[in-house]
Amino acid sequence: GDSVTQMEGPVTLSEEAFLTINCTYTATGYPSLFWYVQYPGEGLQLLLKATKADDKGSNKGFEATYRKETTSFHLEKGSVQVSDSAVYFCALSDRWGSQGNLIFGKGTKLSVKP
Amino acid sequence: DTAVSQTPKYLVTQMGNDKSIKCEQNLGHDTMYWYKQDSKKFLKIMFSYNNKELIINETVPNRFSPKSPDKAHLNLHINSLELGDSAVYFCASSQDIRTGNGEAFFGQGTRLTVV
Repeated sequence: GDSVTQMEGPVTLSEEAFLTINCTYTATGYPSLFWYVQYPGEGLQLLLKATKADDKGSNKGFEATYRKETTSFHLEKGSVQVSDSAVYFCALSDRWGSQGNLIFGKGTKLSVKP
Repeated sequence: DTAVSQTPKYLVTQMGNDKSIKCEQNLGHDTMYWYKQDSKKFLKIMFSYNNKELIINETVPNRFSPKSPDKAHLNLHINSLELGDSAVYFCASSQDIRTGNGEAFFGQGTRLTVV
């Protein structure tokens, strides 16, 4: 079945460091890909999305490119801030393999130190 | 203005009790979901409803019963609560699951603690 694998955390960075969180997927059909963020004590918020190959999603300085050839959707940010500290989830939605619902990776906790 | 709202935010109850969590969305979406997040933050789909019709029912104990009185509401009733049911439960909604891209909007979560 469909699945998402993302790098294990936790990840600890200093402010203004470069961030990469790796995400790869396995899907039956042609999935849409998402990154969600969960700040402490809160629900999930959509960070960015890409619905077809080579699309780049971007928001709040974060970006990720849908790479069909490597089945990847890595999250990057050039300069992280303390306020970016949160848990980041990579997810896919596939009308065939996942029946349209979201399948999540295990989450990567990011801590940014001042 | 809250798009997806669920109540209560916190729920502490004893083993064996029956409890309900309510969810409402004002986005006009056709599909609603319940997800469970365990202590390791892993998120897994439990149920999805499209226009009040059950679409997905993952391997969830029969003690969990979703009810959708209309397409804007999806409540979760849990019978005979067990310690292992302790988790955070998230309600979510999206455009029609059969035609949309799967982007879902989540509520703030209900932290259920069974003692």
